[in-house]
Amino acid sequence: QPVLTQPPSASGTPGQRVTISCSGSSSNIGSNTVSWYQQLPGTAPKLLIYSNNQRPSGVPDRISGSKSGTSASLAISGLQSEDEADYYCAAWDDSLNGVVFGGGTKLTVL
Amino acid sequence: EVRLLESGGGLLKPGGSLRLSCAASGFTFSSYAMTWVRQVPGKGLEWVSSLSGSGGTTTYYADSVKGRFIISRENSKKTLFLQMNTLRAEDTAVYYCARSLSGWYSYDLWGQGTLVTVSS
Repeated sequence: QPVLTQPPSASGTPGQRVTISCSGSSSNIGSNTVSWYQQLPGTAPKLLIYSNNQRPSGVPDRISGSKSGTSASLAISGLQSEDEADYYCAAWDDSLNGVVFGGGTKLTVL
Repeated sequence: EVRLLESGGGLLKPGGSLRLSCAASGFTFSSYAMTWVRQVPGKGLEWVSSLSGSGGTTTYYADSVKGRFIISRENSKKTLFLQMNTLRAEDTAVYYCARSLSGWYSYDLWGQGTLVTVSS
């Protein structure tokens, strides 16, 4: 069972704003920053967000991240068909002394 | 071109050993911490191991591989390794190497992955 909890699925229509949640505990999200990844079918993951809300160069500003307490969220506004992918959150876990991922959320653009 | 290229995957029997390699190009490899992440086809991502940059003196391992896998690097050859021993069926996965942008879990560059299958 993944240490970080994500909803297995999410959906939205083109142009909508969707959010994906990631719930953890005091030993991971509560005391460390969160990263988010997008994985298109058959490809390697891509970094979308690091340090809770920082975007690497090339990631559009319609993608944003936030963190509050032991939870984090990824928001995608102006939803596009190419956003259809799996999304994962990640954080360091002080108790496990390692990196933990969420189970992933499959985003469907209706 | 900035890239990572994994190799060494294959079909092994339980109890066997395998060494994965990840060849880096287009950037100063020695400056970056590096990580292995695996993914069972159709399932989620699982962190395996991380290694600090430069001398690579700091290592971390997932409990599931601790004592069986060894991460290492050869900066002169710009290559990351994962020595996998006492392989189990549950180690079957696509193994990705990844470069850390910052910290231990912000990976801004990934390889294409190499499939390891452990089966009798």
